[in-house]
Amino acid sequence: GQQVMQIPQYQHVQEGEDFTTYCNSSTTLSNIQWYKQRPGGHPVFLIQLVKSGEVKKQKRLTFQFGEAKKNSSLHITATQTTDVGTYFCAGLTNAGKSTFGDGTTLTVKP
Amino acid sequence: DGGITQSPKYLFRKEGQNVTLSCEQNLNHDAMYWYRQDPGQGLRLIYYSQIVNDFQKGDIAEGYSVSREKKESFPLTVTSAQKNPTAFYLCASSIATSGGQETQYFGPGTRLLVL
Repeated sequence: GQQVMQIPQYQHVQEGEDFTTYCNSSTTLSNIQWYKQRPGGHPVFLIQLVKSGEVKKQKRLTFQFGEAKKNSSLHITATQTTDVGTYFCAGLTNAGKSTFGDGTTLTVKP
Repeated sequence: DGGITQSPKYLFRKEGQNVTLSCEQNLNHDAMYWYRQDPGQGLRLIYYSQIVNDFQKGDIAEGYSVSREKKESFPLTVTSAQKNPTAFYLCASSIATSGGQETQYFGPGTRLLVL
């Protein structure tokens, strides 16, 4: 079945350092979504990417969708303590099946 | 105040008992979902419903049951057949699932602990 893999599982950074999480699918995706879950909270939608090679920015966050539509990344520039949490990607296959990755948990040391 | 609510926040169950988790939304969303989250892991789909009186099994439906009698409500029953029910249960809703991946809005979750 379709698998969506995320790496790394955990990332610890010093405040001000950059952070990147990667999402890789075994099959081509129609689109990909990114969610953030704060500690003890629930996932909150961040963004959706649809087009091959698409790049979107939200302040310090940059989201990319690969040319082959099988991978995506989320990059945070100059992390802040408010960035802590777990970041999930969710990919939709051409067959209409949506699958969440296992997430990358970010901790930021002030 | 629109949104999606889940109750209770914490739930304790004795082995062998069925328990029902509540999920209500007033967003007028057609689609609703139930996920299970274990520590350090992602979200696994239990059941989803695209319309009232219809629902489909997700990836880990065994030991769970659902109903969708009203658009606003999608309760999940964790039955005694679920051998490892301790987890964080998240309910979500979206506008529709008509071939596209709509944004899912998640409730605050219910933490179930089996004693």
